Amino acid sequence: IQLTQSPSFLSASVGDRVTITCRASQGINSYLAWYQQKPGKAPKVLIYGASTLQRGVPSRFSGSESATEFTLTISGLQPEDYATYYCQQLNSYPFTFGPGTTVDIK
Amino acid sequence: EVQLVESGGGLVKPGGSLRLSCEATGISFSSSTMHWVRQAPGKGLEWVSSISGAGSYIYYADSLKGRFTVSRDNAKNSLYLELNSLRAEDTAVYYCAKLLCSSTSCLYDYWGQGTLVTVSS
Repeated sequence: IQLTQSPSFLSASVGDRVTITCRASQGINSYLAWYQQKPGKAPKVLIYGASTLQRGVPSRFSGSESATEFTLTISGLQPEDYATYYCQQLNSYPFTFGPGTTVDIK
Repeated sequence: EVQLVESGGGLVKPGGSLRLSCEATGISFSSSTMHWVRQAPGKGLEWVSSISGAGSYIYYADSLKGRFTVSRDNAKNSLYLELNSLRAEDTAVYYCAKLLCSSTSCLYDYWGQGTLVTVSS
């Protein structure tokens, strides 16, 4: 199963609403997770099951799905949100990651 | 506190071998499916391999073509990845991660800090 992400890079300001899209090459039954990764650190899960917020993750992060298209939204970008975001399908092996979206400061 | 601590990375020549370890504390290791994920310098995340709690189910990325072998020792709460016939393109930070699944979803709820493997002559 192939995952594509768009955009690959985006520049945004603090307070902006940011949307990242992940498309799967076939159905994955909502087995999709979103991770945030900062330089030199391991990834951290934000969303799983396409739309369930991991405990401890701020509510400005949300996920949604429509068929094979998945969206991560950050409502009100904060300085600590500048990072790279990856989607991952966990429906079937081999598990795959999207290529990533880097969110940079505008 | 949950900790996953990788070790065993380092500099190795092309064609060489290396064994990575991941020691887990604070989790029920023997009932946990464990995964390896790698990240080449400046690149994205790449799923490598997985092994079920009892070691009965093992999967690998197609791109590895039999060069890597995953194993575990539940008595030592440890996960391993044997890397053979190493190539420059295997240079990466290798992470171990614990898989958590429910009936409707899965996620990696814990990650190690990573161990760097550099393949160079």
